[in-house]
Amino acid sequence: EIVMTQSPATLSVSPGERATLSCRASQSLSGNLAWYQQKPGQAPRLLIHAASARATGIPARFSGSGFETEFTLTISSLQSEDFAVYYCLQYNDWPPLTFGGGTKVEIK
Amino acid sequence: QVQLVESGGGEVQPGRSLRLSCVASGFTFSSFAMHWVRQAPGNRPEWVAAIWDDGTNENYADSVKGRFTIYRDNSQNSLYLQMNSLRADDTAVYYCATTFTGFYYFEYWGQGTLVTVSS
Repeated sequence: EIVMTQSPATLSVSPGERATLSCRASQSLSGNLAWYQQKPGQAPRLLIHAASARATGIPARFSGSGFETEFTLTISSLQSEDFAVYYCLQYNDWPPLTFGGGTKVEIK
Repeated sequence: QVQLVESGGGEVQPGRSLRLSCVASGFTFSSFAMHWVRQAPGNRPEWVAAIWDDGTNENYADSVKGRFTIYRDNSQNSLYLQMNSLRADDTAVYYCATTFTGFYYFEYWGQGTLVTVSS
């Protein structure tokens, strides 16, 4: 099973600032990584797939990068609606498909 | 537009059974693999099970293998999860999810249905 580790667990950021979230895999993913945003009471929302491809309708301030085992989600200028929990998901080698533990982005 | 609507959740005692349903619309259901993903309160999402588009192949997380069964009825655009021998740690919101790309991430999700296993 591929283990996904996200850091930090909590990120305190002011609106308008940049946020950088990390996700590390226990083995190479060959770019098969997705990022999700989740708000309370809602299903996760796909932001990024294939490590860097924005999903339909996702604003350009969200960008993904990385390869092999190290991946980054960057939110270039945080808006009020971006404060949420973010998860990464590996889909390179399964079963099982595995999620990271999440990063909560909170208002500083 | 794509819609996935789950139902069947509720409170059940340990050891009992429950069947979840997911009705799909807005796409050709029989052409795509489907998944169940669950999320316990305060926890990360956990992939539970997947079924191929034609229902010929299934995969399960180790935590549910032998207790849960995923199946589908393509004539009814419906996905199911039969959950037997339920345990307290099965308590979670259960989502059905899919994608249209042939890769196994989840682009479309339902709203979820809550399963609570408690005596």
